[in-house]
Amino acid sequence: DAGVTQSPTHLIKTRGQQVTLRCSPKSGHDTVSWYQQALGQGPQFIFQYYEEEERQRGNFPDRFSGHQFPNYSSELNVNALLLGDSALYLCASSARQGANLNSPLHFGNGTRLTVT
Amino acid sequence: AQSVTQLDSQVPVFEEAPVELRCNYSSSVSVYLFWYVQYPNQGLQLLLKYLSGSTLVKGINGFEAEFNKSQTSFHLRKPSVHISDTAEYFCAVSGDTGRRALTFGSGTRLQVQP
Repeated sequence: DAGVTQSPTHLIKTRGQQVTLRCSPKSGHDTVSWYQQALGQGPQFIFQYYEEEERQRGNFPDRFSGHQFPNYSSELNVNALLLGDSALYLCASSARQGANLNSPLHFGNGTRLTVT
Repeated sequence: AQSVTQLDSQVPVFEEAPVELRCNYSSSVSVYLFWYVQYPNQGLQLLLKYLSGSTLVKGINGFEAEFNKSQTSFHLRKPSVHISDTAEYFCAVSGDTGRRALTFGSGTRLQVQP
């Protein structure tokens, strides 16, 4: 049973460019959340997708956008990259909201984004 | 709004010694509390969670935590640590069962020495 998979594992971009990160949820999960983890910090919530719609959003600018596909996989897009966007981006999946209240978040290993 | 404070950024400890990692939270609503562990170059793994019921929660790898509502704390403990416990530990809070946004603390680096 595959867990949460993220691609690519590492990425180097130049300031001002755009980037797309991808996530496939754990089998049986249909809700995907994205977190940004800067070096030496705890993860910060970016947004959550369920039924192909953004359901909740953290304190991130509109440069951060996402998408969820019918197969529950998800993309995180960041436009006009800044040096401060360098971080580990974590995807987490969970079971459907309202069902199985003890269903925890399952995290992928993340994508390390470096902006130069 | 919710917040989490992890009082120690680093905790060095000798192998087989007991350890406590401290976590305090603030929230205006009922909370659900979690501890996650992150090994180098990996994502986060759930150690344990408090949703309701008994305030003493047992998790994986011999860890346990106690929810103290009056002191707004959720400290993580292990009676005897191993070298393999060396990792970053994160305390997190959610306003529901955790499938919505988690608010994480800044982490505590546990360094187990032989």
